[in-house]
Amino acid sequence: DIQMTQSPSSLSASVGDRVTITCRASQRISDYLNWYQQKPGKAPDLLIYAASTLQSGVPSRFSGSGSGTDFTLTISGLQPEDFATYYCQQTYSIPRTFGQGTKVEIK
Amino acid sequence: QVELQESGPGLVKSSETLSLTCTVSGGSIRNYYWSWIRQPPGKGLEWIGYMYDTESTNYNPSLKTRVTISVDTSKHQFSLKLTSVTAADTAVYFCARDPSASRGYFDSWGQGILVTVSS
Repeated sequence: DIQMTQSPSSLSASVGDRVTITCRASQRISDYLNWYQQKPGKAPDLLIYAASTLQSGVPSRFSGSGSGTDFTLTISGLQPEDFATYYCQQTYSIPRTFGQGTKVEIK
Repeated sequence: QVELQESGPGLVKSSETLSLTCTVSGGSIRNYYWSWIRQPPGKGLEWIGYMYDTESTNYNPSLKTRVTISVDTSKHQFSLKLTSVTAADTAVYFCARDPSASRGYFDSWGQGILVTVSS
């Protein structure tokens, strides 16, 4: 299985901050990398697929980059509704695996 | 706008079979990949497996011997069966749609259903 490791596991930030979350794959996965946002008690929402393609309806302050083994999710100008847990997911091979999550909390 | 809704028992006894159904509305069930994903309380996400249309399945090797996913196109539903459950199978179970044959991302999710395995 491909292991996905996110860092940090949690972070505290203020409204308006620029936030970067990193996801590292245990082997090369090209750009088969997706990002999701999950709020408590809710299903995850797709933010970005194919490493950098913004899902329809997702605000442009979210962006993704990377290829191979190292990927980043950036939130440019954190908004109150962005406080949540973020997961990366690889779909390069079966089983499709997720990172352990990064919880973004209010400072 | 496609909507997905999970249904099934919220409590299953240890060693028995967990059976859940996902009803798809507002969109076609044909020509998509349909997945089940689970999340133990307070923990991360685990992909269980998918079925493509009515043609093929692929399962997480860690669960493969116990999992069956099937589709009933006439009812716009797909189902999950997980046999010989233990407390480790207690989780919120989500169904999700994957619109891409090549990319494998989940663009629509059900709200999730908590299934507790009791001894």
